[in-house]
Amino acid sequence: DTGVSQNPRHKITKRGQNVTFRCDPISEHNRLYWYRQTLGQGPEFLTYFQNEAQLEKSRLLSDRFSAERPKGSFSTLEIQRTEQGDSAMYLCASSLGGRAEAFFGQGTRLTVV
Amino acid sequence: DAKTTQPNSMESNEEEPVHLPCNHSTISGTDYIHWYRQLPSQGPEYVIHGLTSNVNNRMASLAIAEDRKSSTLILHRATLRDAAVYYCILSASMDSSYKLIFGSGTRLLVRP
Repeated sequence: DTGVSQNPRHKITKRGQNVTFRCDPISEHNRLYWYRQTLGQGPEFLTYFQNEAQLEKSRLLSDRFSAERPKGSFSTLEIQRTEQGDSAMYLCASSLGGRAEAFFGQGTRLTVV
Repeated sequence: DAKTTQPNSMESNEEEPVHLPCNHSTISGTDYIHWYRQLPSQGPEYVIHGLTSNVNNRMASLAIAEDRKSSTLILHRATLRDAAVYYCILSASMDSSYKLIFGSGTRLLVRP
C-alpha cells in the first residue's frame, strides 16, 4: 500500500506525559499537513511543511506541540505535557504541489486519561 | 478564510441520485471549491474540485452556480458505501499553503 501511513493508530497516555506520532507520506509528495479532529467536528489545520521547511503553524499549535519533517520525508508530531483537551484524532495528509488533491492517513487517536 | 454553509444531514435511498448543496456567498474570484468525504473511522478522502465549470469524475459530479456563490455535489447512484460526512471546502487563492479549512459538513445517510 503506497498511501499515507500513520503510527500508532491509537495511543492512550496519562496526563502530563509526552507523546510522539509519526506520519509517512506518499513518497514523492512534497507537501505534508497535520490536522486535529475532535468528535463531531471537521478536521482543524495545525501545521504544514513544504519539503523539510515548516511554513505555517496554526494558533491551535501551542508551544507544547512541535512538528518536524527531517529531510522532507516522514514527519513527527510531538505533544509535551499532554492535557485532557489534547484528546483527539490527529490526521496527516500529503500532496504533490499546491492545488493537487490531498491524501489523508487514517489518523492517530489520542486519549489522555 | 471564506466560509461554506452545508445542511447538517441528508438522507437518500440506495441507488437514487443525491444532491448535496453548499453555499459559499463570500467566495473570491480565484478560490477553488473542493469536496472531501469522511467515512466512519477513516481520514478524509478527496472527491472532486472545480473553479468555474462543472466537473465530472468517476466518483461524482460538481455543479457550480454561474455566480459561484453555491455549488452542488451530485452522487449519481448512492450506495451504502457512500454514507459519510461530506465537506465542501474553499481553498484560499492567496494562501500558498493550500491548507483545507473544514466546516462541520453534511452527514449523508443512505437507506437500503
